[in-house]
Amino acid sequence: GENVEQHPSTLSVQEGDSAVIKCTYSDSASNYFPWYKQELGKRPQLIIDIRSNVGEKKDQRIAVTLNKTAKHFSLHITETQPEDSAVYFCAASNTNAGKSTFGDGTTLTVKP
Amino acid sequence: DTGVSQNPRHKITKRGQNVTFRCDPISEHNRLYWYRQTLGQGPEFLTYFQNEAQLEKSRLLSDRFSAERPKGSFSTLEIQRTEQGDSAMYLCASSITGGEGTQYFGPGTRLTVL
Repeated sequence: GENVEQHPSTLSVQEGDSAVIKCTYSDSASNYFPWYKQELGKRPQLIIDIRSNVGEKKDQRIAVTLNKTAKHFSLHITETQPEDSAVYFCAASNTNAGKSTFGDGTTLTVKP
Repeated sequence: DTGVSQNPRHKITKRGQNVTFRCDPISEHNRLYWYRQTLGQGPEFLTYFQNEAQLEKSRLLSDRFSAERPKGSFSTLEIQRTEQGDSAMYLCASSITGGEGTQYFGPGTRLTVL
């Protein structure tokens, strides 16, 4: 089955700096890679996703890159703000198969 | 609110008791997923439905766990003879078949087994 590894487990940055979180996956059949933000006690919220036919996607301060050959994808947050502080999860799935496999999360702290 | 809803939000039970959780997906979504999340971990897949059919069940799901989606709309997850190790957040998500594949999560049910 699919295995997703996520690094780092914790990340602390100064407000305004950039943050990068990396994930690797094992199943070459995975074709959909979402990123979720989860604040304490709340549900995971989708923030950006990418499909295997695209190498990069950007939405304002957030971008995701995908390297299918190396089986890794990354989340980039620029101009970080204190409200970006949360746990971020990457996931990999095959949209035909259904289920998603999640990484163990990265706790991002943005210091004002 | 037209998002995924779950009830109850919190459940405290004694070891050995049975508990049942409910999930109402987004109305036009035909796929429904159950995940379990423990502190410091990502959501862990339990099972999923397409309409009323249960298409996959994790090997981690013991015989004490059962899920149903009888009419292809809401789903229930039952845990029989609860154990302390069952304490976790139980998350439900829904999506449309194929296409985007984006899963939208409910707020979860936090289970505490004493």
